[in-house]
Amino acid sequence: EVQLVESGGGLVQPGGSLRLSCAASGFTFSGNWMHWVRQVPGKGLVWVSRINRDGSSTNYADSAKGRFTISRDNAKNTLYLQMNSLRVEDTAVYYCARVEYSSVWYIDYWGQGTLVTVSS
Amino acid sequence: QLVLTQSPSASASLGASVKLTCTLNSGHSSYAIAWHQQQPEKGPRFLIKLNSDGSHKKGDGIPDRFSGSSSGAERYLTISSLQSEDEGDYYCQTWGTDIQGVFGSGTKVTVL
Repeated sequence: EVQLVESGGGLVQPGGSLRLSCAASGFTFSGNWMHWVRQVPGKGLVWVSRINRDGSSTNYADSAKGRFTISRDNAKNTLYLQMNSLRVEDTAVYYCARVEYSSVWYIDYWGQGTLVTVSS
Repeated sequence: QLVLTQSPSASASLGASVKLTCTLNSGHSSYAIAWHQQQPEKGPRFLIKLNSDGSHKKGDGIPDRFSGSSSGAERYLTISSLQSEDEGDYYCQTWGTDIQGVFGSGTKVTVL
């Protein structure tokens, strides 16, 4: 059974940093691209970042460029999101997601999410 | 720029059917999309990946009550025999050529 378990969320002050982790199990982690998606409470889903299978290629939403860094450790089956210079508007539930490709990149498994609150 | 448009809300009676629409903007009518369900206070769940020709692939354990179809730039999700646990938000998702993930704004489904 595919499982994605996020951790590392919490309360942080504006300008601070936080590192999220996503522990993967039930599949060959190194065989899939992985994404981060976030959701402000009560609002819709917003794509944040993606990383390829070996970590050599990454992409970011404009809101994350220059502040967030996605990475992975295939030996530990873990995905990361390092978030720096956090802003109040980064407050959201952050989901990690496994992606497949067949005509289009699409998410086929989601984690349960971890809440990040940026507030003074 | 790729945009997915969804109606804000839909409703139907218990046991009835409801059809949700996700519309791709001009120039992107051939794109495949995925549908995701988010029940209240839960994380999203993948339902179905839907191609422009209507062919599709469902997620693990997704009931037959959920089906997808396509027509032109529109991608549909039909939920038959509506049950109370089908209440929630439904999002369509795809991937743009500018290397950015794209989500629709979501449709809130209410079971009457």
